[in-house]
Amino acid sequence: DSGVTQTPKHLITATGQRVTLRCSPRSGDLSVYWYQQSLDQGLQFLIQYYNGEERAKGNILERFSAQQFPDLHSELNLSSLELGDSALYFCASSVANGQGANEQFFGPGTRLTVL
Amino acid sequence: GEDVEQSLFLSVREGDSSVINCTYTDSSSTYLYWYKQEPGAGLQLLTYIFSNMDMKQDQRLTVLLNKKDKHLSLRIADTQTGDSAIYFCAESTGAGSYQLTFGKGTKLSVIP
Repeated sequence: DSGVTQTPKHLITATGQRVTLRCSPRSGDLSVYWYQQSLDQGLQFLIQYYNGEERAKGNILERFSAQQFPDLHSELNLSSLELGDSALYFCASSVANGQGANEQFFGPGTRLTVL
Repeated sequence: GEDVEQSLFLSVREGDSSVINCTYTDSSSTYLYWYKQEPGAGLQLLTYIFSNMDMKQDQRLTVLLNKKDKHLSLRIADTQTGDSAIYFCAESTGAGSYQLTFGKGTKLSVIP
């Protein structure tokens, strides 16, 4: 158990809909990262937050957005869903204090299926 | 740009050593990581190596880094059936953001 929790575990929805994925980081970690894992694209970095502020953006679509709340949990919002958005979405957390290896610890993921 | 390459499959016999290879392109990488993903599970951090190191050993795991060739390998000694999983190599530049760039993963199958 990494200490990172994600809900829900599975999500099945229809095209055009909007969903929210939730992540709680490990105790003490200030940074949250979102990654998407799909068969064709592999594991891709989407976005990073540090202590409530956006720190870096990767290959995140404009239909997707995220935020990190004062209690450090994070939500990833996916809207106008398309079939191609079906994937595993992972959240990871780390200390990100500029020292050391900044190990990222991953949650169990949310499997999104868009029908 | 950043790119991390791995071979997709590796099959070994139980008790043998496994060697999983990875090449990366970003010369500014500060840390390189190995993650393990079992079926239906998240990614488990196995080990990492700082870019100015050549080798790191941690129990059955040995990481070798050739910075000149941008080549990283993970050796698993005495491979067990429980080691069957997908292994991902990842790099981080640590330049303000610590986002990870992953390879496509190597599926290790251990034959009893």
